[in-house]
Amino acid sequence: EAQVTQNPRYLITVTGKKLTVTCSQNMNHEYMSWYRQDPGLGLRQIYYSMNVEVTDKGDVPEGYKVSRKEKRNFPLILESPSPNQTSLYFCASSFTFNQPQHFGDGTRLSIL
Amino acid sequence: ELKVEQNPLFLSMQEGKNYTIYCNYSTTSDRLYWYRQDPGKSLESLFVLLSNGAVKQEGRLMASLDTKARLSTLHITAAVHDLSATYFCAGNNAGGTSYGKLTFGQGTILTVHP
Repeated sequence: EAQVTQNPRYLITVTGKKLTVTCSQNMNHEYMSWYRQDPGLGLRQIYYSMNVEVTDKGDVPEGYKVSRKEKRNFPLILESPSPNQTSLYFCASSFTFNQPQHFGDGTRLSIL
Repeated sequence: ELKVEQNPLFLSMQEGKNYTIYCNYSTTSDRLYWYRQDPGKSLESLFVLLSNGAVKQEGRLMASLDTKARLSTLHITAAVHDLSATYFCAGNNAGGTSYGKLTFGQGTILTVHP
């Protein structure tokens, strides 16, 4: 089944404890992207990747890192999480930037 | 910097009626996307509009793009309850170096009632 898989789905953690949210797609997609969704602020792009080893900042990259070492995986790394990174995160992928994106089910992060 | 504005932000419709959601953007964008999100769920891609004058239709939804007016519309025909959801548009900054960067509108919460 074609899908975008995010893990974990839910995480409660503490300020400063490094964490990684994984994103994997099985559709051989080139374009992958991370978004965060906050009440009143809507959806904002964090980072995106046009292909392997090609990543770029979205609108809100501060406090996040990404890597794209292989086509299927695009992990989101929070080196030193802070409470303002408490949010609902979505990973998405598409064949190219011109194609419809497939979204993961979301990861709800709470940073205390 | 691209700004994307949707209106209305809230839309309460009667079943069977027609309505349009508007998506205005501030700078040149050559890609316009529409998404749907049901409460508590992830997002679903509806349409990708790639050129001026592009029109796409799926069921009761039709999306169009006018790059000269910097406007995309999502038209709903004969609304049914199943269309109740939040609808987002998003565009890229065609003139910038970050070509794959997407900026979203605030979202339109659509409620269809009998």
